[in-house]
Amino acid sequence: QLQLQESGPGLVKPSETLLLTCTVSGGSISSTSYYWGWIRQPPGKGLEWIGSIYYSGSTYYNPSLKSRLTIHIETSKNQFSLHLNSVTAADTAVYYCARENDSRGFDHWGQGTLVTVSS
Amino acid sequence: DIQMTQSPSSLSASVGDRVTITCRASQSISRYLNWYQQKPGKAPNLLISGAYSLQSGVPSRFSGSGSGTEFTLTISSLQPEDFATYYCQQSYSTPYAFGQGTKLEIK
Repeated sequence: QLQLQESGPGLVKPSETLLLTCTVSGGSISSTSYYWGWIRQPPGKGLEWIGSIYYSGSTYYNPSLKSRLTIHIETSKNQFSLHLNSVTAADTAVYYCARENDSRGFDHWGQGTLVTVSS
Repeated sequence: DIQMTQSPSSLSASVGDRVTITCRASQSISRYLNWYQQKPGKAPNLLISGAYSLQSGVPSRFSGSGSGTEFTLTISSLQPEDFATYYCQQSYSTPYAFGQGTKLEIK
């Protein structure tokens, strides 16, 4: 059974870089059928798509975050990662990683990890 | 960018009721519309993809319809476990966008 698990610090200081890793188990991140994505949810608010990556390294990002965002994939470790720099309090959210099933939605999700931006 | 608007934002209903949630896109998205259910403290769960295709394991009381710019999610007979927040999401083009959510509460 496919599982995704986010990991990374729960507290990041303003202006620093938020780094999260998603580890995929029970399936290969190198599958040609899927993209792998990040979605976030500020406390008490709705969902925002951050960006997605293919096993080849091809990416597409939300333009609202693109200038601060990099998503990497490491197929040998079955992991992909999110780097968001110059964070502010507005980046405080639960961050989810998920599998994107070829324009048919995000069909498997990690449990989510809360990242708080605060000094 | 495509904007997604859900209505209502909140809804009170009773067990056994039939409820419908509407999602509108700011431009045509064909049938590239997905519905999620989210319970407090949990990740969203994909219920329906492609406007009407029920995901494996999702009860048949859930159904989706629509195309173009207007879509609906219908729950034919509410069960206690259905009280949650529901989101639509367009996967027609990036940036993908979610609706603001519909919170379904017990009356």
